[in-house]
Amino acid sequence: SAVISQKPSRDICQRGTSLTIQCQVDSQVTMMFWYRQQPGQSLTLIATANQGSEATYESGFVIDKFPISRPNLTFSTLTVSNMSPEDSSIYLCSVAVSAYEQYFGPGTRLTVT
Amino acid sequence: TQLLEQSPQFLSIQEGENLTVYCNSSSVFSSLQWYRQEPGEGPVLLVTVVTGGEVKKLKRLTFQFGDARKDSSLHITAAQPGDTGLYLCAARMRTGRRALTFGSGTRLQVQP
Repeated sequence: SAVISQKPSRDICQRGTSLTIQCQVDSQVTMMFWYRQQPGQSLTLIATANQGSEATYESGFVIDKFPISRPNLTFSTLTVSNMSPEDSSIYLCSVAVSAYEQYFGPGTRLTVT
Repeated sequence: TQLLEQSPQFLSIQEGENLTVYCNSSSVFSSLQWYRQEPGEGPVLLVTVVTGGEVKKLKRLTFQFGDARKDSSLHITAAQPGDTGLYLCAARMRTGRRALTFGSGTRLQVQP
């Protein structure tokens, strides 16, 4: 398994500002992902965070809005840029330790006012 | 269009009752995972099924993978209030793609 921590756990931000979310894993992992969970909804994949190269974004998500860094095999950041109320969601970091096991952090609950 | 359809979306039952949650798709999965998520927390992995027809048990929870690997079910026997949460199925939709696609979720409430 893997133990994942996220910072901050929650935040309330003003429209137009940016927030950077940190994800730390207790072991080196190749595959790391960022998901979004809108209120009352399931999870949607934002991007795969690749170590040493640009993240791979899913349809509907762009680098200018959600820049991602992956400086090493245990850490990643997701920035939510130029926020609007529609960005209010839970943002979740996840790692795949094998083809059959994927684990999630506790999430960052973001409210944009 | 949701690639993984879960049903029901909501379920409110009394303690001691049995229930079944379904996860269906028109696509074939290489594997399927079930998660439970409680408020304020990330999803917690319950089980992974890989082989068509596979059945796995986790205490009062029974997971089944369809023979054609297109569907799965989660059966809970004698539900308890601690089973309350959001149940999510998730699958790797294409070979080689490690990221998961999630179902729409089933929100379960077990009343004492």
